[in-house]
Amino acid sequence: AQSVTQLGSHVSVSEGALVLLRCNYSSSVPPYLFWYVQYPNQGLQLLLKYTTGATLVKGINGFEAEFKKSETSFHLTKPSAHMSDAAEYFCAVSESRGTDKLIFGTGTRLQVFP
Amino acid sequence: EAGVAQSPRYKIIEKRQSVAFWCNPISGHATLYWYQQILGQGPKLLIQFQNNGVVDDSQLPKDRFSAERLKGVDSTLKIQPAKLEDSAVYLCASSLDLGIGELFFGEGSRLTVL
Repeated sequence: AQSVTQLGSHVSVSEGALVLLRCNYSSSVPPYLFWYVQYPNQGLQLLLKYTTGATLVKGINGFEAEFKKSETSFHLTKPSAHMSDAAEYFCAVSESRGTDKLIFGTGTRLQVFP
Repeated sequence: EAGVAQSPRYKIIEKRQSVAFWCNPISGHATLYWYQQILGQGPKLLIQFQNNGVVDDSQLPKDRFSAERLKGVDSTLKIQPAKLEDSAVYLCASSLDLGIGELFFGEGSRLTVL
């Protein structure tokens, strides 16, 4: 069965510093992988997704993630954090291709300090 | 483009009472999902509709939860009778079709069961 592990429920960075949010997955089939962001009192919004092709995926707001099959990882990065990046971030894997049934991780709350 | 609409945003009930949540997906989106997000956890899929048919309801507690999407557009999720452990945010999401890989989420309905 597919599963997602997000290391670190809370991550704090200074404004302008590198953001690194970790995600490891388990999947019996080639996965579809996603990062969603949730701002306070709002719904989840897709940041980026990997389905096939290029393993480095660029998303909105300057975020990117790299699919590493050998490490079963899909870590999210941003070179320079902004105060507006403070939110909760969820990594997800599609249970099986074509169904869009997403299995979410437990989330990582990102705090950005001035 | 209007997003996914959900109501009510907040609901407080006592255990054993009933509650209903409503969702109107993005116009033209064939697939609709209900997720349960318990505090500190990632969203968990309860039920998935394709038009007015159920694709997956394997994690829906059918003794107390029910959902319908009669005309293939808006949907209602009902809980009767509610238990304390049902306290959560209920998220509705929609996607254009299966296999697209991008879900659009509403802001959620927060349920507190006392």
